[in-house]
Amino acid sequence: GESVGLHLPTLSVQEGDNSIINCAYSNSASDYFIWYKQESGKGPQFIIDIRSNMDKRQGQRVTVLLNKTVKHLSLQIAATQPGDSAVYFCAETNNQAGTALIFGKGTTLSVSS
Amino acid sequence: SAVISQKPSRDICQRGTSLTIQCQVDSQVTMMFWYRQQPGQSLTLIATANQGSEATYESGFVIDKFPISRPNLTFSTLTVSNMSPEDSSIYLCSPRLDTDTQYFGPGTRLTVL
Repeated sequence: GESVGLHLPTLSVQEGDNSIINCAYSNSASDYFIWYKQESGKGPQFIIDIRSNMDKRQGQRVTVLLNKTVKHLSLQIAATQPGDSAVYFCAETNNQAGTALIFGKGTTLSVSS
Repeated sequence: SAVISQKPSRDICQRGTSLTIQCQVDSQVTMMFWYRQQPGQSLTLIATANQGSEATYESGFVIDKFPISRPNLTFSTLTVSNMSPEDSSIYLCSPRLDTDTQYFGPGTRLTVL
């Protein structure tokens, strides 16, 4: 079954708001996590990653937070834009073991202007 | 990052036929993964295809149905054999770079009638 899950299947926000997408994972051995964005008709696009020795990482308008204690991952998008509308997936892996990424179910983000 | 191309981008096939999907990467990668994404669903790992070794398949996927080739470090193929409508999905290849990050091709959209 799924080892990675997301709390909400859909999230609707207004343009300019901050968005937070959550993900729970169950494999405590996972040491690397990635957030992907998938637009309709396209393959998943890498957004940001984080390793298990970190608890926060920032990119351009995005921040990923990792809480290993409760096995929780979140993606924060600042000043959400209509172009951010897509399905977002979190994925986990144990890079030390060389295993493939395992994906969560996905959250659909809808941004209205 | 990596530039990944897949051929064909989409196809409509008849039940009982086979389709070979090609994946080309613009850099040499040791680890290559193939995923399936059924309509409205997340990504499911089919197999791991490392150059120089036999592909390893996940539970529910077998070599006779999804044979994989990995002739060199920049190329791989996945064949969907003896297709049925249940095989209608997006098929995605995903190389893992030395940075541990996995990127995705644009996918092959397969419809089986």
